[in-house]
Amino acid sequence: AQSVTQLDSQVPVFEEAPVELRCNYSSSVSVYLFWYVQYPNQGLQLLLKYLSGSTLVKGINGFEAEFNKSQTSFHLRKPSVHISDTAEYFCAVSRAGGYNKLIFGAGTRLAVHP
Amino acid sequence: EPEVTQTPSHQVTQMGQEVILRCVPISNHLYFYWYRQILGQKVEFLVSFYNNEISEKSEIFDDQFSVERPDGSNFTLKIRSTKLEDSAMYFCASREGRGSYNEQFFGPGTRLTVL
Repeated sequence: AQSVTQLDSQVPVFEEAPVELRCNYSSSVSVYLFWYVQYPNQGLQLLLKYLSGSTLVKGINGFEAEFNKSQTSFHLRKPSVHISDTAEYFCAVSRAGGYNKLIFGAGTRLAVHP
Repeated sequence: EPEVTQTPSHQVTQMGQEVILRCVPISNHLYFYWYRQILGQKVEFLVSFYNNEISEKSEIFDDQFSVERPDGSNFTLKIRSTKLEDSAMYFCASREGRGSYNEQFFGPGTRLTVL
């Protein structure tokens, strides 16, 4: 079975500052890793994913994440945040291969202040 | 851009009543999912559906729950006799399911409130 831990439930940050949202996972098999974002009153939108290959993946809206197999981490980063990045961010994992279910972390609320 | 839609956006029901949550997946997608998120908790997988049958379900998805694709466009989740603890946001998702890996697209959710 797989599990995901998001270490911070809330992250406050000032506009134009860098941010890192932390995610660790646990799995006995190979996995795919994802970050989703949820804006108020909207569904979940895929930010980026890691399937294989380069461990640094770039996503939409200037976000990137690095897969670290030895530390079983997949932290999300952005060098300079905007007010519009205020949202809930979910890390998720699925068993590699096929079209498997997603297992989500508890979410991190990113609050960007002016 | 095609999107997954869900109706209603908010459903209020009395305990013990049946509810049907509706989803219209993206038209050429083959795999369908329901997830739920109880307030303040994780998004949890409920069920996946492919080729007109359930392909996987979680332990949450007991006999009170059922899914159906009654026509070529809708995908429904029925809760037969709602309990207070069924209050949650319910998300539908779909994926194309052809070829190499492709992502799940999520709908905006239905907030179910059981009184």
